[in-house]
Amino acid sequence: DAGVIQSPRHEVTEMGQEVTLRCKPISGHDYLFWYRQTMMRGLELLIYFNNNVPIDDSGMPEDRFSAKMPNASFSTLKIQPSEPRDSAVYFCASTPVRGAYTGELFFGEGSRLTVL
Amino acid sequence: DAKTTQPNSMESNEEEPVHLPCNHSTISGTDYIHWYRQLPSQGPEYVIHGLTSNVNNRMASLAIAEDRKSSTLILHRATLRDAAVYYCILRDHVYNFNKFYFGSGTKLNVKP
Repeated sequence: DAGVIQSPRHEVTEMGQEVTLRCKPISGHDYLFWYRQTMMRGLELLIYFNNNVPIDDSGMPEDRFSAKMPNASFSTLKIQPSEPRDSAVYFCASTPVRGAYTGELFFGEGSRLTVL
Repeated sequence: DAKTTQPNSMESNEEEPVHLPCNHSTISGTDYIHWYRQLPSQGPEYVIHGLTSNVNNRMASLAIAEDRKSSTLILHRATLRDAAVYYCILRDHVYNFNKFYFGSGTKLNVKP
């Protein structure tokens, strides 16, 4: 089975541009998570969804960040406008209902964003 | 939120056991202990979790102190592929159901 698929794997953009990161969770998984990883702050949870509904977005840095999950097989994380401090690796993860109890999340390989 | 403390780095020889410690002195009764690892240039990977009793799976063993204020992840025979950053995470099972607070972890170096 395919794991969590993220695209693009690498993105280089200029400050002020809109960035859209995409995630396809594992089929049948009910929860979807967006994480950000930087050297300074480590791994941070930005937002998570349950059955396509955002449950907790308290980790979203500011209004420039938005996330959507229009259906069970697709989610986007959008940054508009982007800033150099947004440079990071963004991970998407998913888990089935059982995983919400075991804590076993399945992570994608990440999208490395560089904002110049 | 309960926090964990791990050594920044550890070194091991290939095919020898590795004991990765984690202190969590402020752990609450409902906190589960999780371990993840992150190989270079990859996303985190679940390793094991437990509440009170020691746990074993195909990847590792988790030894939990009787007072639950510390735990140890045991890799029985380290391989070069086990070189990664290992994260010890507490999850409040009741209130922060899906919030994982990854700390800085322990970077494990495995020498051939």
